[in-house]
Amino acid sequence: DGGITQSPKYLFRKEGQNVTLSCEQNLNHDAMYWYRQDPGQGLRLIYYSQIVNDFQKGDIAEGYSVSREKKESFPLTVTSAQKNPTAFYLCASSILGGLTDTQYFGPGTRLTVL
Amino acid sequence: KNEVEQSPQNLTAQEGEFITINCSYSVGISALHWLQQHPGGGIVSLFMLSSGKKKHGRLIATINIQEKHSSLHITASHPRDSAVYICAVVSGSQGNLIFGKGTKLSVKP
Repeated sequence: DGGITQSPKYLFRKEGQNVTLSCEQNLNHDAMYWYRQDPGQGLRLIYYSQIVNDFQKGDIAEGYSVSREKKESFPLTVTSAQKNPTAFYLCASSILGGLTDTQYFGPGTRLTVL
Repeated sequence: KNEVEQSPQNLTAQEGEFITINCSYSVGISALHWLQQHPGGGIVSLFMLSSGKKKHGRLIATINIQEKHSSLHITASHPRDSAVYICAVVSGSQGNLIFGKGTKLSVKP
């Protein structure tokens, strides 16, 4: 089955620790995205990548880092510099990088920093 | 003021009712997406439209570019339609997607 997987579904970390969220897709999509969702707010773009070995900052990139070494994988690291890391994180992909392209979303990872 | 406003924030309906969810925006756009977020958190893309109307099964989406408004209609609603419906606009000037906060729909049997 083609799709996007994110792991784990729930993640708990102590304050001050870096944590990496996994995102893998087997849809052969060029573009991948990371979003953050907080209660009562719309999704906000953290980083996106339109091609391997290249990525761009979104609206709220501070305190986050990404890599795109393989087409299938786009891991997100939440660093200790992120002031409010507790949130629901969603990964998505699209065939190309156009904003009118349909984006396919993963199931999300709920990160709680204690 | 938010650039994308959805109404209502919450909506409860009885099974079989006709549902309308609204999305108004204040920026120039080239297209608009409607998304559905299931209770578990997963998101599915429903429609992308830049003009007129699209229909898929019991779902209908319309957009009026001049009035900066889009609606999502659900005919013969069913409890499985219970979800959060999210509107996202493709901003022409900013070159990005701007998401609404979502409308939480609950359909009672």
